[in-house]
Amino acid sequence: RKEVEQDPGPFNVPEGATVAFNCTYSNSASQSFFWYRQDCRKEPKLLMSVYSSGNEDGRFTAQLNRASQYISLLIRDSKLSDSATYLCVVKGYKLSFGAGTTVTVRA
Amino acid sequence: ETGVTQSPTHLIKTRGQQVTLRCSSQSGHNTVSWYQQALGQGPQFIFQYYREEENGRGNFPPRFSGLQFPNYSSELNVNALELDDSALYLCASSASGTTVGEQYFGPGTRLTVT
Repeated sequence: RKEVEQDPGPFNVPEGATVAFNCTYSNSASQSFFWYRQDCRKEPKLLMSVYSSGNEDGRFTAQLNRASQYISLLIRDSKLSDSATYLCVVKGYKLSFGAGTTVTVRA
Repeated sequence: ETGVTQSPTHLIKTRGQQVTLRCSSQSGHNTVSWYQQALGQGPQFIFQYYREEENGRGNFPPRFSGLQFPNYSSELNVNALELDDSALYLCASSASGTTVGEQYFGPGTRLTVT
């Protein structure tokens, strides 16, 4: 079983739509959780940390469910610039990355 | 831009050869991590260096080795290259004491093994 599993998508949504996707992790001892964003043929960049109580950063909302070992990301009012691959990241003794969920926002 | 640089940008090698990839960390960062990202996959942790010592290793064979220098720049060496080593190699720097999930990635070196 992979340490971090994500729905690969792609999620193809119109501008202004809301899109949400999850990832699951296998290690219940994982300490910290993050979402990274990776544009095509570019390096990953930290989008946001994920806190137990859930947190928002502008149009982005992240949730953590430790009991079920999943993390979610919701994007409201999608913009064309949100088109990217979103990597779910779990920290144990190292950072473990999921394979990514691809989101394409169309005009 | 993150301030993390990597060289070379692209590299083509033949199976069995050896390769050295280089990374300069962001100013003020003393920790460098290396990742391998195969096409369609997320980055896989190779190892991390902190103050010139290896400080954690992923599930990669010993033919993957590294160094960190006093200025915190780093090298990744891969011996006896195999076709499956073809990937994007990313280095990421971070500063001790900061949120360790917050890593700053370089643009990567794309290695092709033929």
